Amino acid sequence: GAGVSQTPSNKVTEKGKYVELRCDPISGHTALYWYRQSLGQGPEFLIYFQGTGAADDSGLPNDRFFAVRPEGSVSTLKIQRTERGDSAVYLCASSLGQGPYNEQFFGPGTRLTVL
Amino acid sequence: GDSVTQMEGPVTLSEEAFLTINCTYTATGYPSLFWYVQYPGEGLQLLLKATKADDKGSNKGFEATYRKETTSFHLEKGSVQVSDSAVYFCALSASNTGNQFYFGTGTSLTVIP
Repeated sequence: GAGVSQTPSNKVTEKGKYVELRCDPISGHTALYWYRQSLGQGPEFLIYFQGTGAADDSGLPNDRFFAVRPEGSVSTLKIQRTERGDSAVYLCASSLGQGPYNEQFFGPGTRLTVL
Repeated sequence: GDSVTQMEGPVTLSEEAFLTINCTYTATGYPSLFWYVQYPGEGLQLLLKATKADDKGSNKGFEATYRKETTSFHLEKGSVQVSDSAVYFCALSASNTGNQFYFGTGTSLTVIP
């Protein structure tokens, strides 16, 4: 079946612009996660949704970052007033349920470059 | 807070060599432990997992044992192949930390013929 998909695969923007990154999870997966991976580092947690609500947004670095999942499926990560330090690969993952035993399935990522 | 410390790379091995990638963790609860692999140009894929102490995860010839006494989850393979060249990430997930994964920094493995 289809895996987690993310669009766009690459996004180049200028400093100060607004960007939206989209994640389409595996059908039926109720949990959705966003991570950010900088070069040479492991993914860092940003936010976790269970259904439509953000269950944990403690990883969002500041109030320029926001994410929504209005219908409990597709999620959008929104970044306002982008800065060069936001450049990274943004990863989305989904899992069948919540809890530490559930495997997270990762999408291919969106590579964001802020010039 | 919860964290994972992973052996730094890059690691270069000849085909059929023995592989060990060290991973230790710090966690206040009872985490599940995972190894994810990222092949060139591809997304992260689960390689194996263990959900409680003394469990052994295994897949594709790779193994890792959840050692609570040494807080470790080292990845091993007896005979590596060129196709094992990838970046390997150790990760933990604990229910008392919101179910998110904490990842190590990754270890790049290159296997040469």
